[in-house]
Amino acid sequence: AQKITQTQPGMFVQEKEAVTLDCTYDTSDPSYGLFWYKQPSSGEMIFLIYQGSYDQQNATEGRYSLNFQKARKSANLVISASQLGDSAMYFCAMRGHGGATNKLIFGTGTLLAVQP
Amino acid sequence: EAQVTQNPRYLITVTGKKLTVTCSQNMNHEYMSWYRQDPGLGLRQIYYSMNVEVTDKGDVPEGYKVSRKEKRNFPLILESPSPNQTSLYFCASSAGLAQETQYFGPGTRLLVL
Repeated sequence: AQKITQTQPGMFVQEKEAVTLDCTYDTSDPSYGLFWYKQPSSGEMIFLIYQGSYDQQNATEGRYSLNFQKARKSANLVISASQLGDSAMYFCAMRGHGGATNKLIFGTGTLLAVQP
Repeated sequence: EAQVTQNPRYLITVTGKKLTVTCSQNMNHEYMSWYRQDPGLGLRQIYYSMNVEVTDKGDVPEGYKVSRKEKRNFPLILESPSPNQTSLYFCASSAGLAQETQYFGPGTRLLVL
C-alpha cells in the first residue's frame, strides 16, 4: 500500500533562514509523482512543487526545492529565505502510476511557523 | 485566470437536508475529484471522474453522490447529510491521469448540525 509519512507535526524557523520539511514515502509502483502543497490558515490548497520518480534532477520552483533521495524514499521540501507569509500547513503527497483513480495520498502535514 | 471554483465556501445545514456543493474548472481538464479533509486523517478521496459521464468511487464514497454531465462541472451531492459529514471539502482537477498536477479549489467548510 502507498503511504506518506511526515514526522514533524510542527516547526519554527526564523525569518530569512532556510528550513527543511521531511517527507518519506512507501510505494511499490516503479513510476510515481511526489507533490508538495501549502495550506495557509485561509484553507486553500496551493500547489508548490512536483518531482517525478524518473526525474534525474531535484525539482526547484523559486524559493522551493525538493531534495529527492529515491533510495531512501524521501522527498524533503526545502524553503530558502523563509518569509512570514510562509507560515502555513505543508502537505506532502504522492500519486502512483497504476490505477485510474489519480488519487493523491497525503501525509498528515507539518505546521510551519516563521518567526520575525 | 485558470482556476477551480467551489460554491458555497461555507455552509451550515441540518441533518437530512439535501445539499449540493458545486465545482467548476476553466482549464478544460478531463480529470476531476472530490476530497474531504479531517483533522488527523489528512485528505481522502471521495469520488473521481475521468471524463464526462465517467465517475467512480474513491476511498470514502458513502453518503455522497456526484455527476459529470459537462466537462467543466463536477457537483458533490449529499442526499441526507449527517453530522459525520462535517468537514472541509476540496474539488480538484488535472489534465489527465499521469503525473499532472492536481489543482485544488478554495475549499468548502460544511457543518451539519
